[in-house]
Amino acid sequence: AAGVIQSPRHLIKEKRETATLKCYPIPRHDTVYWYQQGPGQDPQFLISFYEKMQSDKGSIPDRFSAQQFSDYHSELNMSSLELGDSALYFCASSFWSGESTDTQYFGPGTRLTVL
Amino acid sequence: QKEVEQDPGPLSVPEGAIVSLNCTYSNSAFQYFMWYRQYSRKGPELLMYTYSSGNKEDGRFTAQVDKSSKYISLFIRDSQPSDSATYLCAMSEGYQKVTFGTGTKLQVIP
Repeated sequence: AAGVIQSPRHLIKEKRETATLKCYPIPRHDTVYWYQQGPGQDPQFLISFYEKMQSDKGSIPDRFSAQQFSDYHSELNMSSLELGDSALYFCASSFWSGESTDTQYFGPGTRLTVL
Repeated sequence: QKEVEQDPGPLSVPEGAIVSLNCTYSNSAFQYFMWYRQYSRKGPELLMYTYSSGNKEDGRFTAQVDKSSKYISLFIRDSQPSDSATYLCAMSEGYQKVTFGTGTKLQVIP
């Protein structure tokens, strides 16, 4: 079965640089979520989109922005990178039926290292 | 205090043992309860998904939800070395972000 696709899988950047992470949800899924997982930490919710509109916002820094496109893929843009941004970034997708949402399925993650 | 509390372990058991993993939570609006398994450097993999209170069984895995006590459990029967991973409980109100526990690191010793 098709799963959530994330690219790139690994990314190395230097401080103050910009990074763009991409997420391709499971076909027919209309909701995308972004999470950040630091070493030894549980995933922390950043932001979510439903039908290309932001649906919820968590602990996302102002230096980060994200959007969902017409084909439902999503991009997380990270500017002025800091050492503390080094983490695993997960995208998850789900389907909203109008009454409830199916559970979230996670992608393999993008490991970002900021030097 | 975190919304979801989970003992981080590590939990070490012999092969074949029954494993019990637990989480407590404080948000009474949570309706969806999940257990994810995460291997090192991999994305969380959905194991069990339960709506509201009750039990759900899938092979060697049983999930229990007690909303009155705000307590959920995952039982693994006949544990195998391949079950060694971090197990994350997760919850949501239904249409919003998932809130995770800190994860319990499980090691099954052959």
